[in-house]
Amino acid sequence: KAGVTQTPRYLIKTRGQQVTLSCSPISGHRSVSWYQQTPGQGLQFLFEYFSETQRNKGNFPGRFSGRQFSNSRSEMNVSTLELGDSALYLCASSLGLGDIQYFGAGTRLSVL
Amino acid sequence: QKEVEQNSGPLSVPEGAIASLNCTYSDRVSQSFFWYRQYSGKSPELIMSIYSNGDKEDGRFTAQLNKASQYVSLLIRDSQPSDSATYLCAVRFGGTSYGKLTFGQGTILTVHP
Repeated sequence: KAGVTQTPRYLIKTRGQQVTLSCSPISGHRSVSWYQQTPGQGLQFLFEYFSETQRNKGNFPGRFSGRQFSNSRSEMNVSTLELGDSALYLCASSLGLGDIQYFGAGTRLSVL
Repeated sequence: QKEVEQNSGPLSVPEGAIASLNCTYSDRVSQSFFWYRQYSGKSPELIMSIYSNGDKEDGRFTAQLNKASQYVSLLIRDSQPSDSATYLCAVRFGGTSYGKLTFGQGTILTVHP
């Protein structure tokens, strides 16, 4: 069974641009969560989707948004990029809310 | 106050020794506890999950949970150089947290030959 697939793996953007990251969960998994990882703040929760509905949201500004499609694939978008948005963005999938989460390889975003 | 606390280390142990990693969490309704391992430049991978008080063993790994003391630990027996990584403690709190995991800062473990 394929794992969690995140694309792209690496991104370089400049301040003010926007970016869209994609996550395909493990087959059969219906819940997708997004996390941001930085050396200073560690792993921080962004949001969580289940059945195309956002179920939970972390303490991030409105520039960070996401959505989930009917096939459980998810995207997250960051608008008006700032230097501080440079991070590893991790997607995790689980069978349902509250189940064990399995992480993808992540997308490393660099904002110049 | 952070909700999940770990000693950042680094923790250095000789090959073959027992590595002990500790994690405390804040006083909230807590449901599930997880240990993830993250190699440099890689994503976290699940090692253990534990849901009730006591010990849970899986191969060389033992997770210990004490909800009264708000404490969860991970023991690695017969440590190997390949165990060198950052170990992340994650807690799923109750209430409206749904599936959200709250992570500690991670403990860097180095196992030297």
